[in-house]
Amino acid sequence: DTEVTQTPKHLVMGMTNKKSLKCEQHMGHRAMYWYKQKAKKPPELMFVYSYEKLSINESVPSRFSPECPNSSLLNLHLHALQPEDSALYLCASSQVQGAQPQHFGDGTRLSIL
Amino acid sequence: QQQVKQSPQSLIVQKGGISIINCAYENTAFDYFPWYQQFPGKGPALLIAIRPDVSEKKEGRFTISFNKSAKQFSLHIMDSQPGDSATYFCAASNDYKLSFGAGTTVTVRA
Repeated sequence: DTEVTQTPKHLVMGMTNKKSLKCEQHMGHRAMYWYKQKAKKPPELMFVYSYEKLSINESVPSRFSPECPNSSLLNLHLHALQPEDSALYLCASSQVQGAQPQHFGDGTRLSIL
Repeated sequence: QQQVKQSPQSLIVQKGGISIINCAYENTAFDYFPWYQQFPGKGPALLIAIRPDVSEKKEGRFTISFNKSAKQFSLHIMDSQPGDSATYFCAASNDYKLSFGAGTTVTVRA
C-alpha cells in the first residue's frame, strides 16, 4: 500500500463537467506534486506545492486548478476538460521541495467523454 | 528535449535470467538517480536510487551501476521473477524536477 492516497481511482466526466481529484499524505511532507501520465509514457510534472503555497506551474492550462487546503491535502479541480486530457493523474510528495525521493500515489484514471 | 535517454524500450527475459536497462544523461548538474517500478493500474514506486559519489548500489536482486564519466547508469535485475514484470523508469534530478526516461517494459517468462 502506498502512503500517498488518491481518490477517486477512476473518474469519467463530460467536457462541461466540474470535478475534483483528491490526494492525501500523512508522512509530514511539506512538498506535494501533481503529475499527468499518458499511456506508455513517463509522468509529466504539472504543479509543485511547497508549504501549502503554489511554487511551480509547468505552463498547465487554466482548466486545471490546484489547491492545497493544508499540509496533508492536495486537490486538483477540473473544468471544461478536453478529450486529450484523459490520462492517469498522479500525486506525489517529498519532505520538502527539492528533497528526494518523491513518493507517488496510485493515481486517478481520468476519462473525458 | 529529453534529458534522460533509456533503452531498450522493452525486453523479455526467462525466469532466473538477468534484465539490464540502460540510461544516459547530459546534464552534469544531476545529483540523484532513482529507478521507479510501475505495475499496470498503479503509480510509480521507488525501487532503488543512487547519488553520483557511488559507483554501485545493491538492494536484494536489484543493482544500480553508475558511470559518472560516461554519464550513464543502469539497472540490473538478477534472478528475474514473473512478479518483476512491469514498466521501469529511470530518472535524474538536481532539484524538485524528476527528468524521466521513456520507460522499459520488462516481461519475465515463467
